[in-house]
Amino acid sequence: GQNIDQPTEMTATEGAIVQINCTYQTSGFNGLFWYQQHAGEAPTFLSYNVLDGLEEKGRFSSFLSRSKGYSYLLLKELQMKDSASYLCAVRGAGAGKSTFGDGTTLTVKP
Amino acid sequence: SQTIHQWPATLVQPVGSPLSLECTVEGTSNPNLYWYRQAAGRGLQLLFYSVGIGQISSEVPQNLSASRPQDRQFILSSKKLLLSDSGFYLCACLGTGALATQYFGPGTRLTVL
Repeated sequence: GQNIDQPTEMTATEGAIVQINCTYQTSGFNGLFWYQQHAGEAPTFLSYNVLDGLEEKGRFSSFLSRSKGYSYLLLKELQMKDSASYLCAVRGAGAGKSTFGDGTTLTVKP
Repeated sequence: SQTIHQWPATLVQPVGSPLSLECTVEGTSNPNLYWYRQAAGRGLQLLFYSVGIGQISSEVPQNLSASRPQDRQFILSSKKLLLSDSGFYLCACLGTGALATQYFGPGTRLTVL
């Protein structure tokens, strides 16, 4: 099975940088995905990693270390609209199934 | 790109009543489809997935069932709802390609009273 841990809540200041960590234990690994979810809405895809290293997409970057079972999402130049829940998900083997963490609620303050 | 429709957006049902939530997908054929449930403040729990018409796999034992009568239609049902069935139900579709991501519908918020 899969076990995914991420902090429950984080707070950061507008314009700052924040790093959201995710650790996982998995019986199969086919990629790690990050999603953003605003309150009451569906998750939207942000980034994914399959190989070790850093993937950068504008203000968002994601890092993966498969040997350590560790990933982080880095958000730069924080904006108020970045206040949301950030979900870490690990895709296992077969049928594209993913296991999700409980999400990290990020609050961006002025 | 895929578009996923779900209805209704919100639903309030009494305990013991039946349930039918529908999900339809546009812009793709023979997609992998998924039903997730999200309890308040929690992550997404995979309930069912389907790799084709009539093919349903259940991930957790529960009071719900799923069906896929057509290629791009996925239905979640219950004969008698329980209080614990309350939650945010999301239908998802797997994109194309080896490293495809999942795309989510807008969700149905179900409250069982």
